[in-house]
Amino acid sequence: AQSVTQLDSQVPVFEEAPVELRCNYSSSVSVYLFWYVQYPNQGLQLLLKYLSGSTLVKGINGFEAEFNKSQTSFHLRKPSVHISDTAEYFCAVSAPGAQKLVFGQGTRLTINP
Amino acid sequence: DVKVTQSSRYLVKRTGEKVFLECVQDMDHENMFWYRQDPGLGLRLIYFSYDVKMKEKGDIPEGYSVSREKKERFSLILESASTNQTSMYLCARRRTLSRTTEAFFGQGTRLTVV
Repeated sequence: AQSVTQLDSQVPVFEEAPVELRCNYSSSVSVYLFWYVQYPNQGLQLLLKYLSGSTLVKGINGFEAEFNKSQTSFHLRKPSVHISDTAEYFCAVSAPGAQKLVFGQGTRLTINP
Repeated sequence: DVKVTQSSRYLVKRTGEKVFLECVQDMDHENMFWYRQDPGLGLRLIYFSYDVKMKEKGDIPEGYSVSREKKERFSLILESASTNQTSMYLCARRRTLSRTTEAFFGQGTRLTVV
């Protein structure tokens, strides 16, 4: 079975500062990894995904994430955040061929002017 | 643009009522899911369905049931609503045997049980 831990429940940063949202996973098999964003009162939208290949994955809105198999991590980064990035971010994991996605607890990103 | 449509954005129901949350997808995806979202707990899987009339329990199925009579529609049923079922409910669809393997979500239904 897979599990996901998002290490920070809330991350406050100033506008134009860099940010890293941390995600660690647990699995006995190879995995697919995902980051989703949820803006207020909306559903979840895919930011990026890692299936295989290059460990650095680029997504929408300037976000990127790096898959690190030895540390079982998939941290999300952005070099310069904007007020519009204020949202909740979810990391998720799935085994290849499995139906379910398992989600972390979420990290609320707050951008201060 | 891919779509997952949940029939209501906001619902207020009374304790003991039978509640139906409806979800419709516009693609031919096999898998559909119902998640519940609560602050600090992330998304927790209630039930999922991998084909018509097929279903499996997720992590928190107690107090819920589901129905999938047609491939495009997946319903979540609260048999007798209780205040601890006040939450945001998210429906999703997913095709697993594909490179497009992410889940696509609806806008969510915020249910309040009074």
